Amino acid sequence: GENVEQHPSTLSVQEGDSAVIKCTYSDSASNYFPWYKQELGKGPQLIIDIRSNVGEKKDQRIAVTLNKTAKHFSLHITETQPEDSAVYFCAASKGGGADGLTFGKGTHLIIQP
Amino acid sequence: DAGVIQSPRHEVTEMGQEVTLRCKPISGHDYLFWYRQTMMRGLELLIYFNNNVPIDDSGMPEDRFSAKMPNASFSTLKIQPSEPRDSAVYFCASSARQGSTGELFFGEGSRLTVL
Repeated sequence: GENVEQHPSTLSVQEGDSAVIKCTYSDSASNYFPWYKQELGKGPQLIIDIRSNVGEKKDQRIAVTLNKTAKHFSLHITETQPEDSAVYFCAASKGGGADGLTFGKGTHLIIQP
Repeated sequence: DAGVIQSPRHEVTEMGQEVTLRCKPISGHDYLFWYRQTMMRGLELLIYFNNNVPIDDSGMPEDRFSAKMPNASFSTLKIQPSEPRDSAVYFCASSARQGSTGELFFGEGSRLTVL
């Protein structure tokens, strides 16, 4: 089955700096790569996703890049703000749907004031 | 619009007791998922349903765990008997495949502590 590795497990950055979280996946047939943000005491929430026919996608301060050859994808957050502090999960699946999603172990992002 | 609703939010029980967690998915969603979250193992898929039918239960840890979805608006996850290693946050999530992006909508979770 699919295996998703996520690094780092904890990331601390100064407010205003950029943050990058990286994931690798094992199944070359995977074609859907969402990122979820989990705030304290809440369930994860989708923030951005990318499909394997696209190399990069942006939404305001967040962007995701995908390298199919290397089987890795990354989340980039620019101009970080205190409200970006949360746990971020990457995931991968085949078929483009929510079924079959395999999640990474998560990255705890801490924004230092 | 109401999101995914889970109950109870917190449950503390003693080893050996039966635990039932409940979930109401978003109306119109045809997929329902149960996940377990722990520090050590992250988010693990336990089971998911499509149109109320269990599709993949390979993540269910053992026979002590069972899940049902009697209708499109209700699902339960039962642990009997419970053990301390079952302590975790259990999430229910729903999704619509038809015309969707595949987004999972999570509830706020049920935090289970087994003493």
